[in-house]
Amino acid sequence: DIQLTQSPSFLSASVGDRVTITCRASQGISSFLAWFQQKPGKAPKLLIFAASTLQSGVPSRFSGSGSGTEFTLTVSSLQPEDFATYYCQHLNSYPLTFGGGTKVEIK
Amino acid sequence: EVQLVESGGGLVQPGGSLRLSCAASGFTFSDHYMDWVRQAPGKGLEWVGRTRNKAKSYTTEYAASVKGRFTISRDASQNSLYLQMNSLKAEDTAVYYCTRSFLSGKNYIDSWGQGTLVTVSS
Repeated sequence: DIQLTQSPSFLSASVGDRVTITCRASQGISSFLAWFQQKPGKAPKLLIFAASTLQSGVPSRFSGSGSGTEFTLTVSSLQPEDFATYYCQHLNSYPLTFGGGTKVEIK
Repeated sequence: EVQLVESGGGLVQPGGSLRLSCAASGFTFSDHYMDWVRQAPGKGLEWVGRTRNKAKSYTTEYAASVKGRFTISRDASQNSLYLQMNSLKAEDTAVYYCTRSFLSGKNYIDSWGQGTLVTVSS
């Protein structure tokens, strides 16, 4: 099974900061990776798919990059509504798995 | 508008069974892959399993943690997805989300229900 390791698991940042979250796969997954945002008590929301394609309606301050085993999610200028937990998920093969999550909190 | 509404959660004893339902609307149900994803209290997301679309004969895949105990099915005439959960364990306690995937490509999850809570406890 493919394991996804996110880092950091916790991040403290200020409004306006540039934030980068990393997701590393235990083996190559080409570009078959998605990023989700989850706020407390709510269902997750798709941000990025195919490693770098922005989902419709998602602000352009979010971007994704990477292929193979290393991927990043970047928020270019953190906004108050971006404080949330972020998860990566691979779709290379079954079983599909999620990373452990990165919680972004206000500094 | 895509809508996914889960139901059927509740309190069940260890070793018991429960069936979750997901009512889907706003899209052609038989065209899409559908997944169940769960989240234990205070924990991260865990993929439970998937049913492919009609073109792929609604075949299924499961996580190792539930294989042999959980069964995903669907009723296209009712636009409903189901998760039959047997031999439940305390570690199955979680919010269970019904999800829909894209029509094409790698079938990324693009829509989620609000979730239904399953508590396994004596």
